Amino acid sequence: QPVLTQSSSASASLGSSVKLTCTLNSGHTDSMIAWHQQHPGKAPRHLMKIDGSGTHTKGSGIPDRFSGSSSGTDRYLTISNLQSEDEADYYCEAWDSQSWVFGGGTKLTVL
Amino acid sequence: QLQESGPGLVKPSETLSLTCNVAGGSVDDNNHYWGWIRQPPGKGLEWIGSINHHGTAYYSPSFPSRVTVSMDTSKNLLSLNLYSVTAADTAMYYCARHGTNYFVDYWGQGTLVTVSS
Repeated sequence: QPVLTQSSSASASLGSSVKLTCTLNSGHTDSMIAWHQQHPGKAPRHLMKIDGSGTHTKGSGIPDRFSGSSSGTDRYLTISNLQSEDEADYYCEAWDSQSWVFGGGTKLTVL
Repeated sequence: QLQESGPGLVKPSETLSLTCNVAGGSVDDNNHYWGWIRQPPGKGLEWIGSINHHGTAYYSPSFPSRVTVSMDTSKNLLSLNLYSVTAADTAMYYCARHGTNYFVDYWGQGTLVTVSS
């Protein structure tokens, strides 16, 4: 079963870029993950899924500022031209053999 | 759209029962799974269980023999039963749709359940 590790917090300035990381445990180099965004007091929203090659497929209505990439067991979510509304919690999700798991989440602060 | 409903307060040792109305879709759609995910106050997301269009359910090992996920195709409803609850089961409970590659692609708005006497 995959295990997902995320930093608990990140921060970046308005208008800059930030790269959030979700790390899979060893043996899952090829695994696909998904990213979700959650604003305080709101339900999560699916952002995209990313495979081991870095190919990502975004959900409906997700701005071009959001992109994904991969390197080894790391899966990245890059947000460019940070906006105040990007301040949120970001979770990664993995699936394997009819079992789902989430990372602990990264709280992004926009300075 | 996914809309959860159920009691907001459950007593310890009792059963937490929630339903999710699946609007604009069908629970027996063979392209999707449907699931339940929860989030304790101030904490992260935790998968509880999911079900496919055949009615086969899969559960997190964190809930050994304590959870049932089912669906009613005639009413287009997804259900969750969590037995013998404790205060640790206090959380926001989300209904979710699993899309292609089995990842969650749509979330319900969530319903807060508090376990307290």
